[in-house]
Amino acid sequence: EIIMTQSPATLSVSPGERATLSCRASQSISSNLAWYQQKPGQAPRLLIYGASTRATGIPARFSGSGSGTEFTLTISSLQSEDFAVYYCQQYNNWPPDSFGQGTKLDIK
Amino acid sequence: EVQLLESGGGLVQPGGSLRLSCAASGFFFSSYAMNWVRQAPGKGLEWVSVISGSGGSTYYADSVKGRFTLSRDNSKKMLYLQMSSLRAEDTAVYYCARSMGATIIPDAFDMWGQGTMVTVSS
Repeated sequence: EIIMTQSPATLSVSPGERATLSCRASQSISSNLAWYQQKPGQAPRLLIYGASTRATGIPARFSGSGSGTEFTLTISSLQSEDFAVYYCQQYNNWPPDSFGQGTKLDIK
Repeated sequence: EVQLLESGGGLVQPGGSLRLSCAASGFFFSSYAMNWVRQAPGKGLEWVSVISGSGGSTYYADSVKGRFTLSRDNSKKMLYLQMSSLRAEDTAVYYCARSMGATIIPDAFDMWGQGTMVTVSS
């Protein structure tokens, strides 16, 4: 089983600043990684798939990078609506969907 | 409108059964594999099960294998999760989620319903 580890658990950033979230896989998953955003009381929303491809309707300030075991989600200039919990998910191996434990992005 | 709408959640006693439904609209339902993903209160996301677009293949997480059954009715654009022998640890919000493709291969989920709460308690 592939273990996904996200860091940090909580990240405090001021609006307008850049946020960098990390996700590490316990073994190589190629580029089979997705990022999701979840706000309180809402369902997750797909942001990035294939490690770096933005999903439909996702603003350009969200970008993903990495391959193999190390991945990064960058939000270039934080807006108020970006403060949420972010999950990474590998879809390279069965079980098909191993999610990370999440990073909570807080307003500083 | 393109959407997924879950229903069927509620309070059930340990050992009991419940059937969740997910109604799809606004897209060609049979072209996509469909999943259930759950989230225990205050916890992260856990994938539960997937079914292929045709309904011919299913796969389950070890935590629910033998207790949950996933099915679909493409003519009605409906997804169903029959849950039995429920345990306290099954308590969660259950989301239906669309895979990006039709087959049962591991995939990202590009559409989610709003979720339905299942509480297993005496």
